[in-house]
Amino acid sequence: KQEVTQIPAALSVPEGENLVLNCSFTDSAIYNLQWFRQDPGKGLTSLLLIQSSQREQTSGRLNASLDKSSGRSTLYIAASQPGDSATYLCAVLRPINDYKLSFGAGTTVTVRA
Amino acid sequence: DAGVTQSPTHLIKTRGQHVTLRCSPISGHKSVSWYQQVLGQGPQFIFQYYEKEERGRGNFPDRFSARQFPNYSSELNVNALLLGDSALYLCASSLYETGLQETQYFGPGTRLLVL
Repeated sequence: KQEVTQIPAALSVPEGENLVLNCSFTDSAIYNLQWFRQDPGKGLTSLLLIQSSQREQTSGRLNASLDKSSGRSTLYIAASQPGDSATYLCAVLRPINDYKLSFGAGTTVTVRA
Repeated sequence: DAGVTQSPTHLIKTRGQHVTLRCSPISGHKSVSWYQQVLGQGPQFIFQYYEKEERGRGNFPDRFSARQFPNYSSELNVNALLLGDSALYLCASSLYETGLQETQYFGPGTRLLVL
């Protein structure tokens, strides 16, 4: 069974500081890993998808790395802004006959102005 | 193009009642998945449908059922509601069966409260 853990559960930083969010998973046989953003009471917005053959993906101020062998991914958000305040979730997809995304519980980020 | 849409946005039911939640995928997407998100936790997989066939089922009781229609929209049905069914129900769509090559797109969710 795939278990996904996100540490820390919550994070509060002043505006402008870089954010580092961690995700670990127990089964390294994944197909891809996605990072999502969720605003309170809302659905999920996909931020980045990393295929298992990739080491990292970048989009604007966001950079996600993947170390499949150690079962870890890290999401970096540069120069944080108050608008980055949200819950960030990582999810992994296993290959072959396993169609579900397995999610972590998320890291709730507060960026203080 | 419209994203994934879900209806209703909010719903209040009492224990023992039945509920039907609806989802319309992004145009051209043939796969729909349902997830349950209890407050403070990550989403948990309930069902996945592709081309109107069930492709995957999570660890949920038989009170939960779903179906996909010829236009690829989907319904999630929950019978004999329990207090513990209170959650945000999320629908996700993707172009292909497993979403291996591309992102799964999530709708805004339906917030269900069981009293």
